[in-house]
Amino acid sequence: QITLKESGPIVVKPSQTLTLTCTFSGFSLTTTGVGVGWIRQPPGKALEWLAGYYWDDDRRYSPTLKSRLTVTKDTSRNQVVLTMTNVGPADTATYYCARDESLGKYWFDRWGQGTLVTVSS
Amino acid sequence: DIQMTQSPSSLSASVGDRVTITCRASQSVSSYLNWYQQKPGKAPHLLIYDATNLQRGVPSRFSGSGFGTDFTLTISSLQPEDFATYYCQQTYTLVTFGPGTKVDIK
Repeated sequence: QITLKESGPIVVKPSQTLTLTCTFSGFSLTTTGVGVGWIRQPPGKALEWLAGYYWDDDRRYSPTLKSRLTVTKDTSRNQVVLTMTNVGPADTATYYCARDESLGKYWFDRWGQGTLVTVSS
Repeated sequence: DIQMTQSPSSLSASVGDRVTITCRASQSVSSYLNWYQQKPGKAPHLLIYDATNLQRGVPSRFSGSGFGTDFTLTISSLQPEDFATYYCQQTYTLVTFGPGTKVDIK
């Protein structure tokens, strides 16, 4: 069974660094063509792709957020970690991680339940 | 950046209706276009990938068409569980999602 679950803080203060962890099971990030992506959704708004970590250790980032994002993996724990620096109110959103098994075509066939992060002082 | 638009932004329909949602890209995305369904409080669910391919387990009443800049998602006979928001996604150049189309009950 394939599962993904996001974890991290519920509230983050402005200017702080947000760290989110995606813990997955049922697939391997060492399998050719597989990746884990991060997507967010502000309340009542559309989806926005943030970043992805791929089987070949390739990391891909949204151009608009690239300077603030870092994605890493912990293979032994089956985790992918997203770090976002200098957060602000516009970063309040539900953050999802999702599996991409499309050989890098970025379509996401399994998603976590999402975690709502609020940026507030 | 490739921009995506969807029309309509919302629609009201009845069970059994044929529903068509349009997605347009600001430049050609070839067939690198996917569709997702999202219900309130839930994660998105992949319906169609590469413009026309039905994801495993998705009912055959869903279909996708198009190439280049213009795409459509069609639900041949709307069912109660289909009331949701639908997003298109281009993956020709990294990833951009459309703004969504909300389908609700007439």
